[in-house]
Amino acid sequence: KAGVTQTPRYLIKTRGQQVTLSCSPISGHRSVSWYQQTPGQGLQFLFEYFSETQRNKGNFPGRFSGRQFSNSRSEMNVSTLELGDSALYLCASSLGGQAVSYGYTFGSGTRLTVV
Amino acid sequence: AQSVSQHNHHVILSEAASLELGCNYSYGGTVNLFWYVQYPGQHLQLLLKYFSGDPLVKGIKGFEAEFIKSKFSFNLRKPSVQWSDTAEYFCAVKGSGGYQKVTFGTGTKLQVIP
Repeated sequence: KAGVTQTPRYLIKTRGQQVTLSCSPISGHRSVSWYQQTPGQGLQFLFEYFSETQRNKGNFPGRFSGRQFSNSRSEMNVSTLELGDSALYLCASSLGGQAVSYGYTFGSGTRLTVV
Repeated sequence: AQSVSQHNHHVILSEAASLELGCNYSYGGTVNLFWYVQYPGQHLQLLLKYFSGDPLVKGIKGFEAEFIKSKFSFNLRKPSVQWSDTAEYFCAVKGSGGYQKVTFGTGTKLQVIP
């Protein structure tokens, strides 16, 4: 089965702009989690969606938002971009419910560069 | 709040050396524990997981990890590393029960020298 698909792979944006990233989970997976990965900080949890509902949220400012559609595809949006938002944004899918205990399947990520 | 500490940020080993990467977590209840690996240029993938039963878990490519509840630890081990094990390794914890998020450590970069 197809893996987790994240688009686009690379983005370059200017400070102040906004950006939307997309994630299509593995077929049948209903949970999508988003992480920000930066050198030295590891993976920082952004939010998790399950069946179109945000189930968990990390400690990021309100400029970071997301949503999930009925087909489980998810988008995250970052408004008013700052230089510090430059990072690799990872999407992870899982079956959902308690089944995240079985582990995530990660996408390849979207590399966002803010200039 | 749950947290994960990986004390070794960068480890360099020669091929055939034994590996142990430390992972300690903080959480006041039952946990699920994971190790993920990120090979150069590749996406993160699950190496092994623990969520109940035998505290010694075996994963792919000869890796294993031992959950020691009294020490809040979940160290990753491999008896003999290969050059192909060069990668970044992440420990992660999830509190079991309810809808808990998965918290990752900051990662350990392993470099294996031929």
